[in-house]
Amino acid sequence: EVKLVESGGGLVKPGGSLRLSCEASGFTLSDAWMSWVRQAPGKGLEWVGRIRSKADGATTDYPAPVEGRFTVSRDDSANTLYLQMNSLKSEDTAVYYCTTDWSGNYQFDLWGQGTLVSVS
Amino acid sequence: DVVMTQTPLSSPVTLGQPASISCRSSQSLVHSNGGTFLSWLHQRPGQPPRLLLYKVSNRFSGVPDRFSGSGAGTDFTLKISRVEAEDVGVYYCMQATHFPQTFGQGTKVEI
Repeated sequence: EVKLVESGGGLVKPGGSLRLSCEASGFTLSDAWMSWVRQAPGKGLEWVGRIRSKADGATTDYPAPVEGRFTVSRDDSANTLYLQMNSLKSEDTAVYYCTTDWSGNYQFDLWGQGTLVSVS
Repeated sequence: DVVMTQTPLSSPVTLGQPASISCRSSQSLVHSNGGTFLSWLHQRPGQPPRLLLYKVSNRFSGVPDRFSGSGAGTDFTLKISRVEAEDVGVYYCMQATHFPQTFGQGTKVEI
């Protein structure tokens, strides 16, 4: 079964750091483009970063609100995606989802259940 | 960033009746390669989003044919031909033509 399972969320103080994990099963993570998308309580969706496949150079992209604070990485041996979050702010409070990114013509076809990060 | 504006924000619907959601972008979503990267996602309460449509009108695997998408340039529409109970939740449009990819604010569909 193809699956993504996030972990690592929790309560952290402003200015603190947290690392989220996303374990993939049923497919090889390094073959995929992967993204993190977050959803603040009662709000909409916001993309916060991606990593390209190994074949495409494993380069990363971030939107301005998290550039320099968030880092997406991958451990190919563990088939696990990570989101390192530093200098956390209250506005980073959200459920964080990992999701597959570009797969040919479409994105975001597979999602994890999410992990809650509270910054307070 | 490209702003995606959905209307309505809330849509009461009747089972078996059609429903429609509009999405307007602040810039044309036609990419330099000719593609239009506009997707629709659906999120049921307490669940992660799931992909419904991509590139305006292409249904993702397993999506019922009562869902259809149309539009071009800056104006797009999601239609449900006959609403079923499982269709409740929030619908998001999303553009990936311009960096960064951005989402609409969501439209809540309730029976």
